Amino acid sequence: QSVLTQPPSVSGTPGQRVAISCSGSSSNIERNAVHWYQRLPGMSPKVVIYTNNQRPSGVSDRFSGSKSGTSASLAISGLQSEDEADYYCSTWDDSLNGPVFGGGTKLTVL
Amino acid sequence: EVHLAESGGGLVKPGGSLRLSCAASGFIFSSYSMNWVRQAPGKGLEWVSSISTGGSQIRYADLAKGRFTISRDNANNSLYLQMDGLRAEDTAVYYCTRPHITIFDHMDVWGKGTTVTVSS
Repeated sequence: QSVLTQPPSVSGTPGQRVAISCSGSSSNIERNAVHWYQRLPGMSPKVVIYTNNQRPSGVSDRFSGSKSGTSASLAISGLQSEDEADYYCSTWDDSLNGPVFGGGTKLTVL
Repeated sequence: EVHLAESGGGLVKPGGSLRLSCAASGFIFSSYSMNWVRQAPGKGLEWVSSISTGGSQIRYADLAKGRFTISRDNANNSLYLQMDGLRAEDTAVYYCTRPHITIFDHMDVWGKGTTVTVSS
């Protein structure tokens, strides 16, 4: 059981916009920055959004992040087949005194 | 190029021990805190342990307390995870990761991982 809650799967067709939610609590998301990781098949995780809504260099501007209260969201617009991957949200938890992750969301591009 | 390379995984019986290593290159290892993160088959990512730059501040997830020991050798740019009393539920890919700056930041460098299988 992960500390942060994500939907197990989402799907969309090429060109669509999809959003992945991440729900936490006052000890984690509400007080700390949220990051999003993409894990492509057979690869190590890679950060696509950090500090709620910041995009690392090299990451497409089709990826965006937001946070409100105890929840956060990752949006991917103009969906492409190469976006098919597992996505994980993460933040620091003040009660557990360490980083926590969501259970992951499998994005399928139909 | 910034690089992390884990090693030391393998098949071990329940109750056994393993020592994982992570070799760092391409950055000033001694300037960064470091983490171990794992992913069990079909499960999500799970933080295991963190260590500060000099090794004086160490944190463990509950899953690791009393069984795992994190350490580092800054002279040799290496991070370690000693795992004792291994259980079937410790079966996972173990990643060595580097936080962006502080331990509270996102992890911007990940190794390829080393696989640990605990089975009789």
